[in-house]
Amino acid sequence: LAKTTQPISMDSYEGQEVNITCSHNNIATNDYITWYQQFPSQGPRFIIQGYKTKVTNEVASLFIPADRKSSTLSLPRVSLSDTAVYYCLVGYNQAGTALIFGKGTTLSVSS
Amino acid sequence: EPEVTQTPSHQVTQMGQEVILRCVPISNHLYFYWYRQILGQKVEFLVSFYNNEISEKSEIFDDQFSVERPDGSNFTLKIRSTKLEDSAMYFCASSSREGFSGNTIYFGEGSWLTVV
Repeated sequence: LAKTTQPISMDSYEGQEVNITCSHNNIATNDYITWYQQFPSQGPRFIIQGYKTKVTNEVASLFIPADRKSSTLSLPRVSLSDTAVYYCLVGYNQAGTALIFGKGTTLSVSS
Repeated sequence: EPEVTQTPSHQVTQMGQEVILRCVPISNHLYFYWYRQILGQKVEFLVSFYNNEISEKSEIFDDQFSVERPDGSNFTLKIRSTKLEDSAMYFCASSSREGFSGNTIYFGEGSWLTVV
């Protein structure tokens, strides 16, 4: 299971672009990189997933360099409602049956 | 958009009592999970379930815990004799296939369990 490292917290202002970087030096060949968002007292919500290069959806973009040892979640023009914990997950547990969460990055957006 | 639904949203129970948390996974999903999150801590994996049996369980999932899919739609987590330290938010999740390549796990909104 690839260990991930991401900042504990980040601060931003409304309208700014936020980039959260996650390092995963021992990512395995078949591992995908998945990002979840969690608001207080709610379940984690899937944001985006990728394997290599760039993935974009209506919510975010995910940039993955060629060596795949890190990834960057990009949130364009954040608003107050983007204040949440963001988790970077890489691979699964040994049995391949479950995602394992780390501590995540707490993003605080101010006006 | 299909979603995982959980009941109850909040339950208070006395220590030693049995609790059953219920979940309705997304209808065409085959893999089911329970996670928990103690207040202020990270989301912890409890158990995964497929084809009517446990695929994997964590150290947290001891003999006090059990899971069941009693019919074609529900997935339950039972805590046989609750302890104070079982107080947490319990999340049910489901996916269409097993781990690895690009699988996405969808989570419910959680059941908040308070043991007093």
